[in-house]
Amino acid sequence: EVQVVESGGGLVQPGGSLRLSCSTSGFIFNNYWMGWVRQAPGKGLQSVANLKHDGSETFYEDSVKGRFTISRDNAKNSLYLQMSSLRGEDTAVYYCARGDHKSAWYGLFDHWGQGSLVTVS
Amino acid sequence: DIQMTQSPASLSASVGDRVTITCRASRSISSYLNWYQQKPGKAPKLLIYLASSLKSGVPSRFSGSGSGTDFTLTISSLQPEDFATYYCQQSFSNVFTFGPGTKVDV
Repeated sequence: EVQVVESGGGLVQPGGSLRLSCSTSGFIFNNYWMGWVRQAPGKGLQSVANLKHDGSETFYEDSVKGRFTISRDNAKNSLYLQMSSLRGEDTAVYYCARGDHKSAWYGLFDHWGQGSLVTVS
Repeated sequence: DIQMTQSPASLSASVGDRVTITCRASRSISSYLNWYQQKPGKAPKLLIYLASSLKSGVPSRFSGSGSGTDFTLTISSLQPEDFATYYCQQSFSNVFTFGPGTKVDV
């Protein structure tokens, strides 16, 4: 069974930093793209960052470029999101999600974690 | 960036109704369009990928169609567990964007 579990959320002051972690199991992690999607309270979904299966390519939503860094440790089956210079508008539930298998491109997210709340205040 | 819009923003329906949700992209995205269902306090669930492919395990009452800029999600006979918010998502560009969502309630 595929499992995706986020951790590391919490309360942080504006301008501060926070690192989210995502632990996975039940699939061959280094064969899959991974991504972070966030949802501000009462709002819709926003894709934050995506990372290729081998870590060679990253893609960021404009508002987080230069402030957030997505990375992965394939040996630990884990995904990370380093967030710095945090702003109030970064307050959201952050979901870790499994993307495409390396053999195909659909741009989907087919397994999601339960989410980790980040509050910037 | 590719912008996504959805209509309606919300709709009221009854069990057994046929429900149609529309998603439009600001420019052609071929068939790189996915649909998700989200219930309050829960993570989204993938329903449809590549505009019309049903994810394994998703009931066949869900279907998707469209290409280019205009897409549709149809629920053929609404069930009690289908009351939720539905989002479209483009994957034509590597920076994905979601539509604003359509809330389906009673």
